[in-house]
Amino acid sequence: GAVVSQHPSRVICKSGTSVKIECRSLDFQATTMFWYRQFPKQSLMLMATSNEGSKATYEQGVEKDKFLINHASLTLSTLTVTSAHPEDSSFYICSAGAYTEAFFGQGTRLTVV
Amino acid sequence: GQQVMQIPQYQHVQEGEDFTTYCNSSTTLSNIQWYKQRPGGHPVFLIQLVKSGEVKKQKRLTFQFGEAKKNSSLHITATQTTDVGTYFCAGLSQGSSNTGKLIFGQGTTLQVKP
Repeated sequence: GAVVSQHPSRVICKSGTSVKIECRSLDFQATTMFWYRQFPKQSLMLMATSNEGSKATYEQGVEKDKFLINHASLTLSTLTVTSAHPEDSSFYICSAGAYTEAFFGQGTRLTVV
Repeated sequence: GQQVMQIPQYQHVQEGEDFTTYCNSSTTLSNIQWYKQRPGGHPVFLIQLVKSGEVKKQKRLTFQFGEAKKNSSLHITATQTTDVGTYFCAGLSQGSSNTGKLIFGQGTTLQVKP
């Protein structure tokens, strides 16, 4: 199947700093990618739909100014957590494709201290 | 908004016992997909069901899609310790078929005692 690479897999940052997470489709082009957040022992919560060349579509309750999404090319989407706080600590995961099968990145474990 | 409910949340079984998880959607689905997530890992695609009443099998796993395309189930026969993980259903609603937005159930975490 298709490969989606997410980087970094783990990151620890200080409160108030920003963190960028990259999601790359390695062997296919993705006009749409999805960003999820997953708390321990919970389901995947869709944060936003990343659209190549246009603005992301955010789900209700997700702050677009805090979670900046950029999808500048058909193989790369980035999620930047700005001014991170401890409550932003979570597992963030991206995916591409969904109509028949979603391919997930490996996920990023963010810890804000 | 669209919701996908999944039960049970947790299931502990003895190795060799069967296991079933159920999903119900508040809206009619274009398709339903099933994923498995091992502890510390990311979700991995298992199968997609598209047709009303569809049944698919993968070795010891049997997947069903309801006639109304609003519910689904995953049944594992004779569980093994390698079946441990969290199983998620994910629905693609008919209204979202052009966006590809999946709505995930809460997941069922399976523990298997050897």
